[in-house]
Amino acid sequence: DAGVIQSPRHEVTEMGQEVTLRCKPISGHNSLFWYRQTMMRGLELLIYFNNNVPIDDSGMPEDRFSAKMPNASFSTLKIQPSEPRDSAVYFCASSLNTGAEAFFGQGTRLTVV
Amino acid sequence: DQQVKQNSPSLSVQEGRISILNCDYTNSMFDYFLWYKKYPAEGPTFLISISSIKDKNEDGRFTVFLNKSAKHLSLHIVPSQPGDSAVYFCAASAGSSNSGYALNFGKGTSLLVTP
Repeated sequence: DAGVIQSPRHEVTEMGQEVTLRCKPISGHNSLFWYRQTMMRGLELLIYFNNNVPIDDSGMPEDRFSAKMPNASFSTLKIQPSEPRDSAVYFCASSLNTGAEAFFGQGTRLTVV
Repeated sequence: DQQVKQNSPSLSVQEGRISILNCDYTNSMFDYFLWYKKYPAEGPTFLISISSIKDKNEDGRFTVFLNKSAKHLSLHIVPSQPGDSAVYFCAASAGSSNSGYALNFGKGTSLLVTP
């Protein structure tokens, strides 16, 4: 398996633009997580899905952020409109229900100018 | 509200010596603890874990100790090698098999192993 695949690896966008980050979890995994890494806050859990259903979105910063998981092999994290303070590395991870070990993608480095 | 805390942002150790990375948590519902290692421009990778029913788990040069009464865990690396230089994240979860496990991470400790 290729592991968790995220795209794009890097994204530079202007303030106010819509940004969509994409994730393909490991086949067979039924939990998917979106994390954001910043210097100040470390790795923050934004939202997680179990069997394509959002379980906990309390970490989503505000209404500008939304996430979807239309099927077991794809998820998106959308920021609309984007702001400079959204600049961070966004990680997607997936795991099996039977174990807490989550496997991470390589991340998307987002820069909002 | 940070439920998992790594109070040392950085640590420098000489090659061959022991590296000890510490982690504290506040949520008594946490029952599974993990350490992840992260190199620059890569995602975190799983290193070692421990369940709350144990107080020690060893895997080669890596040992994790858990002190539930103190809500404290530590990762020992012996002997340390230059390739161990990375950021180490402590994580904890209190999930269930019905809804999956969500990991709560600390801010990380940057370990530098010098030759």
